[in-house]
Amino acid sequence: DIQMTQSPSSVSASVGDRVTITCRASQGISSWLAWYQQKPGKAPKLLIYAASSLQSGVPSRFSGSGSGTDFTLTISSLQPEDFATYYCQQANSFRTFGQGTKVEIK
Amino acid sequence: QITLKESGPTLVKPTQTLTLTCTFSGFSLSTSGVGVGWIRQPPGKALEWLALIYWDDDKRYSPSLKSRLTITKDTSKNQVVLTMTNMDPVDTATYYCAHIVGYSEFDYWGQGTLVTVSS
Repeated sequence: DIQMTQSPSSVSASVGDRVTITCRASQGISSWLAWYQQKPGKAPKLLIYAASSLQSGVPSRFSGSGSGTDFTLTISSLQPEDFATYYCQQANSFRTFGQGTKVEIK
Repeated sequence: QITLKESGPTLVKPTQTLTLTCTFSGFSLSTSGVGVGWIRQPPGKALEWLALIYWDDDKRYSPSLKSRLTITKDTSKNQVVLTMTNMDPVDTATYYCAHIVGYSEFDYWGQGTLVTVSS
């Protein structure tokens, strides 16, 4: 099984900050990676697919990069509505989610 | 507009079999490349992928849960059914179904349904 490891598990940041979340796969997954945002009590929302493609309707302050085993989600200027938990998910072999990164208000 | 909605029992007893139904609209499971998946999330914990079924009846299961899961589709009813046998309290979670195109990400999700396993 492919394991996905996110870091950090939580981050405290202020509005306007640049936030970077990392996801590492236990083996190479090419660009078969997606990022989701989840707010309490809500279903996850797709942000990024194919490692770096922005889902329609998602603000351009969200961006993704990486390939192989190392991937990054960046929020260029954190907005109040961005405080949430973020998950990566690989689709190279079956499906696996990371353990999540909670973005909290500093 | 694509929508999905999960339905099923909110409470099941240990050792019982759970049957969940995902009823969807806005797409057809007979369209090439389209699929529906199930994902669950225990309270306060991370997402866990369970199973997928595609338009051509190709089925994929989480290796760790494969022996307990069955996924089927009824294209005429726009429904996908997931059964999970031998339920245990650790299976208490919100269960989501989601739409997938191609073989990658879940782009539309249902609202989720909380299933509690308790005697």
